Amino acid sequence: RKEVEQDPGPFNVPEGATVAFNCTYSNSASQSFFWYRQDCRKEPKLLMSVYSSGNEDGRFTAQLNRASQYISLLIRDSKLSDSATYLCVVTPNTNAGKSTFGDGTTLTVKP
Amino acid sequence: DTEVTQTPKHLVMGMTNKKSLKCEQHMGHRAMYWYKQKAKKPPELMFVYSYEKLSINESVPSRFSPECPNSSLLNLHLHALQPEDSALYLCASSQDRDTSSYNEQFFGPGTRLTVL
Repeated sequence: RKEVEQDPGPFNVPEGATVAFNCTYSNSASQSFFWYRQDCRKEPKLLMSVYSSGNEDGRFTAQLNRASQYISLLIRDSKLSDSATYLCVVTPNTNAGKSTFGDGTTLTVKP
Repeated sequence: DTEVTQTPKHLVMGMTNKKSLKCEQHMGHRAMYWYKQKAKKPPELMFVYSYEKLSINESVPSRFSPECPNSSLLNLHLHALQPEDSALYLCASSQDRDTSSYNEQFFGPGTRLTVL
């Protein structure tokens, strides 16, 4: 079993749709959780850190469920510009260490 | 300034060449990372420097040699690479402090390396 598993995708949705990605992790000692987006041939860019209480940034909502060891990302009112690969990242502690990346889920938003 | 810069953007080298990749950040971050990314795969950690000391080496072949001259700079020296080493090489940095809540990593734009 992989340490971090994401929905395999790809997700193809129309503009305006709501889409949700899930990510599960196996290391219960994991402390920090992030969603990154990566455009084709570009670097990953931090989208959101995921807090225990859940957090929202505009159209994006991230949730953490420690008991079930999964995190989620909800995108409302999808835009064409949301088309990208979304990477779930899990880190065992808050110091510099080995972050584990999921394989990524590709989202294509169509007109 | 939340930018990590990397040079060069593109590099083509032969298997006998020696070259270096450079990374710089001015965010006061004390952890810096090298990742390798192949097409349609997630970034794969190579090295971590914490407070200018190598803290993680993910069993990377010795033809890759990292160097951290100071807290803002990170180099990756390349020698006798193989064609399968062709990839996007990403540098990242993070705060690396116990008081940092979530230790987000910020990535540079990467160097696209082709080994002939």
